[in-house]
Amino acid sequence: QKEVEQNSGPLSVPEGAIASLNCTYSDRGSQSFFWYRQYSGKSPELIMFIYSNGDKEDGRFTAQLNKASQYVSLLIRDSQPSDSATYLCAVNRIAGGSNYKLTFGKGTLLTVNP
Amino acid sequence: GAGVSQSPSNKVTEKGKDVELRCDPISGHTALYWYRQSLGQGLEFLIYFQGNSAPDKSGLPSDRFSAERTGGSVSTLTIQRTQQEDSAVYLCASSIGGTGANVLTFGAGSRLTVL
Repeated sequence: QKEVEQNSGPLSVPEGAIASLNCTYSDRGSQSFFWYRQYSGKSPELIMFIYSNGDKEDGRFTAQLNKASQYVSLLIRDSQPSDSATYLCAVNRIAGGSNYKLTFGKGTLLTVNP
Repeated sequence: GAGVSQSPSNKVTEKGKDVELRCDPISGHTALYWYRQSLGQGLEFLIYFQGNSAPDKSGLPSDRFSAERTGGSVSTLTIQRTQQEDSAVYLCASSIGGTGANVLTFGAGSRLTVL
C-alpha cells in the first residue's frame, strides 16, 4: 500500500463549481496534513495545513480531515481557471521529538474550464 | 536569504559524469529536504536533514547519490556516474523544523538532463 494515495485525475470542473480533491494515507501515526499546489513547470507552494479532525477554512479553500478513516480532502469553492494545477497531498508525523519526513502523494491534476 | 536558492537551474551532462546540485535554505530554517520529481510524477523523497541530527537517507535510490549539509546551512546533493534515469527536477525545500507545523518552502529546482 502506498503511503499517500491520490486520484491522479484529471479532474475537470466548470468555472464557479466546487472542486473536491481527496487523499488517503497509510500511517496512522501521521499528525500533520498539507495541501500544496503546483503549476506546470513550477515548484509546489503551500495552500494550507490541518492537524485536527474536522474542517479548516481559508478563503475559498476548505481542508477536511478524518483520522479514523485516514482521509483528508481539499474543497475549492467558486473554482477559477487560475486554480488549474496539480494538487499535492502531504503528510508527516513527529518522531523522536522532531518532525519526521514529509511524504507526498503523486498529485491530482485539476482543470477548471471557463 | 529571502527564499530557498538552488543552483544550477539547469544542468545537462553526459552519462557517467558526476554532478553537484546546491541548495541554500532560508536563513534560520533547521530542516532541509531534497526531493526528486520526474516528468509527470510526484515528489520522491531523497534525504532529510534536521539540525545536528543524523540525516534520514532512506530515500536515496542508490549509493551513487549522496548529500551533505555544511554548518547547518548550505546543502550539496552529489550524483556520481550519472545515468539517464537520473534525469529529473531536483527540488530542495527548507522548514523551521522542531515540532511545529512542518511547512516546507521549495526552491525553484535544478533540472538535470543526462544524455
